Amino acid sequence: DQQVKQNSPSLSVQEGRISILNCDYTNSMFDYFLWYKKYPAEGPTFLISISSIKDKNEDGRFTVFLNKSAKHLSLHIVPSQPGDSAVYFCAAHTGGFKTIFGAGTRLFVKA
Amino acid sequence: DGGITQSPKYLFRKEGQNVTLSCEQNLNHDAMYWYRQDPGQGLRLIYYSQIVNDFQKGDIAEGYSVSREKKESFPLTVTSAQKNPTAFYLCASSPRGESNYGYTFGSGTRLTVV
Repeated sequence: DQQVKQNSPSLSVQEGRISILNCDYTNSMFDYFLWYKKYPAEGPTFLISISSIKDKNEDGRFTVFLNKSAKHLSLHIVPSQPGDSAVYFCAAHTGGFKTIFGAGTRLFVKA
Repeated sequence: DGGITQSPKYLFRKEGQNVTLSCEQNLNHDAMYWYRQDPGQGLRLIYYSQIVNDFQKGDIAEGYSVSREKKESFPLTVTSAQKNPTAFYLCASSPRGESNYGYTFGSGTRLTVV
C-alpha cells in the first residue's frame, strides 16, 4: 500500500524553463511534506518542506504547493538549471517518527 | 565538518553470513534511522532510534537488528534471516523526531549477496 506516490518516473526539461514534479498521497493525517534531492551514489539531501496547514512554501528557485482537498503536492523549480538534474523524492511525515517516501522522479535538465 | 559517515560504501556478503553496516554522526542529533532503497521503490524504514539505548522497528525490520549504545552510532546488522538483502542502505539522523527539519542522510552502503 503506497501512501505516497510519484507517478512520473522521469521528467525532461529545458534549461531556464520550469520543472514541475508531482506527488499524491492517501493519508489525510500527514502533518508535514518534504522534498529531497538525490545525486547518484549519494544520500538524499533535504530540499524544502511544507506544513499541512499551509498551501505554499517558497525558498529561492524552489516552491512547494499543497492541495489538501486533492491530496496532491508539487515542487516547482524556476528557472531549471543543469545542476538540478537528480532524483527527487517526495516524503510525508506522520506521527511516531515515521517519514514515508515516494519512489522518486528523475529530473533531466537539458542545457 | 558535521555529517553522517556510512561504511563501507560497498559490501559483499555470502549467503548465510551476518554483516554489520556502520553509521556514525557528529551532528549531535538525537534521532537516527535506517532506510533501504530498492530499484523503482521509495525508501523503506527498517529501524529508528529516538534516544540512546532505545530503538523501534520500522516497516521492514524482519531479518535486521540494530543497537544504539552511543548517541553518535547506530549500526545495522543484516542477518542471514533477511531473505533478500541485496539493496542500497541509507542511514539518516535528525535533531529530534519532529517532521519539518528534514533528515541528514549518509552516502549509503550498497550490499550485494554473492
